[in-house]
Amino acid sequence: DVKVTQSSRYLVKRTGEKVFLECVQDMDHENMFWYRQDPGLGLRLIYFSYDVKMKEKGDIPEGYSVSREKKERFSLILESASTNQTSMYLCASSLQNTEAFFGQGTRLTVV
Amino acid sequence: EDQVTQSPEALRLQEGESSSLNCSYTVSGLRGLFWYRQDPGKGPEFLFTLYSAGEEKEKERLKATLTKKESFLHITAPKPEDSATYLCAVQAPYKYIFGTGTRLKVLA
Repeated sequence: DVKVTQSSRYLVKRTGEKVFLECVQDMDHENMFWYRQDPGLGLRLIYFSYDVKMKEKGDIPEGYSVSREKKERFSLILESASTNQTSMYLCASSLQNTEAFFGQGTRLTVV
Repeated sequence: EDQVTQSPEALRLQEGESSSLNCSYTVSGLRGLFWYRQDPGKGPEFLFTLYSAGEEKEKERLKATLTKKESFLHITAPKPEDSATYLCAVQAPYKYIFGTGTRLKVLA
């Protein structure tokens, strides 16, 4: 079975904190993605990576950064958390031109 | 601009009442159309991939079809456990573009 694992299901952080969300996949996929999902807005792409140490901005990268030092791991960093970053964060991975597989999601609340 | 539109936003069915969900898309050079199921508080679960017009895929009570402009997810004789949000996505170069989903509720 394919597996994408996100480090936390639920997180509560304070405004201004630096937040790390970790994602690991065991399928040797070259592509990895970070989305956020909000009611009525659907899934919006934050960043993606198509190779180790490569990263590309998605549609809403402001306030976020990413790191991909190893093929299986893709980290999302909130440099200084704000309340408008309260959301469900979803990590996914894929091979080129095939379906993406998602992790279980991290519900982040910034207070 | 690449875009995916799903309809209806929400659908309530009686158990056994068949129906279809729609996914309309515009994308320059379709590389794949994907259907997912998402339960509340969880990540999307992959259902089907369709690559070319005329292609069909089936799994239990679900059947996905594809034309040049849209895809349908047909649900035959649904059960309450089919209640979920169904998401459609297309692949643009290096990324996936999602619709906002159809929330399906099947009543016993």
